[in-house]
Amino acid sequence: AQSVTQLDSQVPVFEEAPVELRCNYSSSVSVYLFWYVQYPNQGLQLLLKYLSGSTLVKGINGFEAEFNKSQTSFHLRKPSVHISDTAEYFCAVTEAAGNKLTFGGGTRVLVKP
Amino acid sequence: DTAVSQTPKYLVTQMGNDKSIKCEQNLGHDTMYWYKQDSKKFLKIMFSYNNKELIINETVPNRFSPKSPDKAHLNLHINSLELGDSAVYFCASSPGTSTFSSYNEQFFGPGTRLTVL
Repeated sequence: AQSVTQLDSQVPVFEEAPVELRCNYSSSVSVYLFWYVQYPNQGLQLLLKYLSGSTLVKGINGFEAEFNKSQTSFHLRKPSVHISDTAEYFCAVTEAAGNKLTFGGGTRVLVKP
Repeated sequence: DTAVSQTPKYLVTQMGNDKSIKCEQNLGHDTMYWYKQDSKKFLKIMFSYNNKELIINETVPNRFSPKSPDKAHLNLHINSLELGDSAVYFCASSPGTSTFSSYNEQFFGPGTRLTVL
């Protein structure tokens, strides 16, 4: 079974500052990794995913994440945030060839002007 | 619009009642899912159906019964509602089941906020 830990439950950040959201996972098999965003009162939207290949993946809205197998991490970054990035961010994992997404507890990003 | 849709968006009901949440996808996908997001935003899968066949069934009380009349619909029926059932329920769909050679992305609906009083 796999598990996901998001180390920060809340991250306040000023507009145009960089942000990093931390995610660590555990699994005994190969995994696929994802970051989803949930804007207030909306559903989940996929930001980016790592399936294989380059460990640095770029997603929508200027976000990127780096897969680090030795540290079992998949941290999400954005060099300059906007007010509109205020949302809940979820890291998720599934076993390669699996269909069950396991989510972390979420990180609430609050962008301040 | 091509999407995953859920009805109702909000559902407020009394303890002990029976209620259903409907999910429809017009993406032509074969696989559908139900997830529960609790008050602490913790998201967990409940069920998954592939071509109307149950493939994932987590440890969910048997008061919850998913029903898939066809592969475009996955409804969630809940009997004898309890306070702890209050949550946001998300439906999702994917083109198929994932394999080692291909991953099928899951697309989420907007959620149904269930409040049990």
